[in-house]
Amino acid sequence: DAGVTQSPTHLIKTRGQHVTLRCSPISGHKSVSWYQQVLGQGPQFIFQYYEKEERGRGNFPDRFSARQFPNYSSELNVNALLLGDSALYLCASSVGWDRGPGEQYFGPGTRLTVT
Amino acid sequence: AQSVTQLGSHVSVSEGALVLLRCNYSSSVPPYLFWYVQYPNQGLQLLLKYTTGATLVKGINGFEAEFKKSETSFHLTKPSAHMSDAAEYFCAVRRSGGSNYKLTFGKGTLLTVNP
Repeated sequence: DAGVTQSPTHLIKTRGQHVTLRCSPISGHKSVSWYQQVLGQGPQFIFQYYEKEERGRGNFPDRFSARQFPNYSSELNVNALLLGDSALYLCASSVGWDRGPGEQYFGPGTRLTVT
Repeated sequence: AQSVTQLGSHVSVSEGALVLLRCNYSSSVPPYLFWYVQYPNQGLQLLLKYTTGATLVKGINGFEAEFKKSETSFHLTKPSAHMSDAAEYFCAVRRSGGSNYKLTFGKGTLLTVNP
């Protein structure tokens, strides 16, 4: 079975531009989470979506938004890019909405560089 | 709020030596605890997890970790290091009993294995 896939793998943008990152979860997984990993740091939680609804949001500005589609794939959008948005953006999928450990499987990430 | 502290941003061992990576957490409720490994330019791979029950948890690639509630620790060990273990390791915590899958990560420990 295919794992979590993300596109593109690398991206270079200019300050002030907009970017859209895409994620396809593992088949059968209905929840997608997004994380930002700045160089030298651990991943930081941005969003969680389940059944197209936002279920959790981290401490990120409103320039960050996301959505989930009927096929459970997801997009992360970032407006008005800043140099500080340069990071590896990770998508993680999990089976569903329950009270178990919610084991998350991570994709390879999208490396965003803002110049 | 939850937090994770990984003691030592860089650990260096010789091949065949014991690997010990330290993780302490802070959580107001019983947590779920995870260790992830990240190889260069890749996403995160789950090594092992603690949810409930046995406090000594075995994972992939010969790693294990012990949950010690009294010490709020979840240290990762491997009896004998292999060159292929060189990577960055992240400890993460998630609150149990909730439906939010947000993982809070430590800053990571880079493991170097010397021949």
